[in-house]
Amino acid sequence: AQRVTQPEKLLSVFKGAPVELKCNYSYSGSPELFWYVQYSRQRLQLLLRHISRESIKGFTADLNKGETSFHLKKPFAQEEDSAMYYCALRKAAGNKLTFGGGTRVLVKP
Amino acid sequence: DAGVTQSPTHLIKTRGQQVTLRCSPKSGHDTVSWYQQALGQGPQFIFQYYEEEERQRGNFPDRFSGHQFPNYSSELNVNALLLGDSALYLCASSAYRDGADTQYFGPGTRLTVL
Repeated sequence: AQRVTQPEKLLSVFKGAPVELKCNYSYSGSPELFWYVQYSRQRLQLLLRHISRESIKGFTADLNKGETSFHLKKPFAQEEDSAMYYCALRKAAGNKLTFGGGTRVLVKP
Repeated sequence: DAGVTQSPTHLIKTRGQQVTLRCSPKSGHDTVSWYQQALGQGPQFIFQYYEEEERQRGNFPDRFSGHQFPNYSSELNVNALLLGDSALYLCASSAYRDGADTQYFGPGTRLTVL
């Protein structure tokens, strides 16, 4: 069975500082990995997916199959990055998403 | 396009009652997935509907059932409500024929069981 772990419940950083959200997964195959974000009073939305290999809002994430990790990074955090972030895994297109427990990011001015 | 819509926004029920939650997918989407999000946790997959049939199911009891209509909208039904069913219920839609298959989420229905 697949499992996603986000070890940090809360990350508090100052504006302009780097931020890294950890995500580890367990799955024997080759999954698809995602980061979803939920800003205050907004719905859950896709931030980025590993197959796109793109940077969204300054965030990047690299899939490390050896360490089974998909950490999310941003070199200079902004106050508008304050939100709830969820890492998610999917076995293949069309399949269910398995989410981690989420990390709340608070960017202080 | 309003995106994925869900109704009602909030709902209060008592133990043992039954509840029906509704979801309209994003325009052009044909697949609907339902998730339960308990307070302080990530969403947990309940089931997915495509072509009016349940295609995948998570680890939820038979008290949780669903339906998809020809217009792709969907309902989630929960019978014999328990206190532990109190949660945010999220609906997500996607286009199965689309290789990217991104799931778009609705705002959720907050269910409180007393």
